[in-house]
Amino acid sequence: AQKITQTQPGMFVQEKEAVTLDCTYDTSDPSYGLFWYKQPSSGEMIFLIYQGSYDQQNATEGRYSLNFQKARKSANLVISASQLGDSAMYFCASHSGNTPLVFGKGTRLSVIA
Amino acid sequence: DVKVTQSSRYLVKRTGEKVFLECVQDMDHENMFWYRQDPGLGLRLIYFSYDVKMKEKGDIPEGYSVSREKKERFSLILESASTNQTSMYLCASSLAGSLAEAFFGQGTRLTVV
Repeated sequence: AQKITQTQPGMFVQEKEAVTLDCTYDTSDPSYGLFWYKQPSSGEMIFLIYQGSYDQQNATEGRYSLNFQKARKSANLVISASQLGDSAMYFCASHSGNTPLVFGKGTRLSVIA
Repeated sequence: DVKVTQSSRYLVKRTGEKVFLECVQDMDHENMFWYRQDPGLGLRLIYFSYDVKMKEKGDIPEGYSVSREKKERFSLILESASTNQTSMYLCASSLAGSLAEAFFGQGTRLTVV
């Protein structure tokens, strides 16, 4: 069974600074995907970024990048130049093949002006 | 634009009532999922379905059932609502057999009184 661990219940970051949200995963499947979602206070889940287990390069999407360290089974999300609108819950998730997404418990990020 | 729609944003029901939460997707996705989200617990999988009339139990199926009579619609049923089922419910869909991301509805915040 897959497991996702997010060890930071809450994080604070100054506006315009970079922040790293930690995620470690545990799976025995050789082929899997790793995902990060953002959930603002309105409740919807917004897909941010995806990393495949066979991808050679770290995924990037605008200000979001995924620091993928396969040997350490970590998939940390890096947000550069934080904005007030980045304040939200962030969830790391993974799945393999046709299995459902498994989520971590989330990290609440607060961006301070 | 990709769309997953949940029938209600907010719902208040009485203990013992039968409750239906409806979810419709317009992306012709084979996979559909129901998650429950509680503070500090992340998203937990209740039920999922890989095809019409098929269903699989997730991690916390007790007290719930589901129905998938059409590909685009996946219903979550609380047979006899209880106060410990007060929660945020999220529906999602994804393509079969791929590592693509899941798309989420806006969530239904259910309160059982």
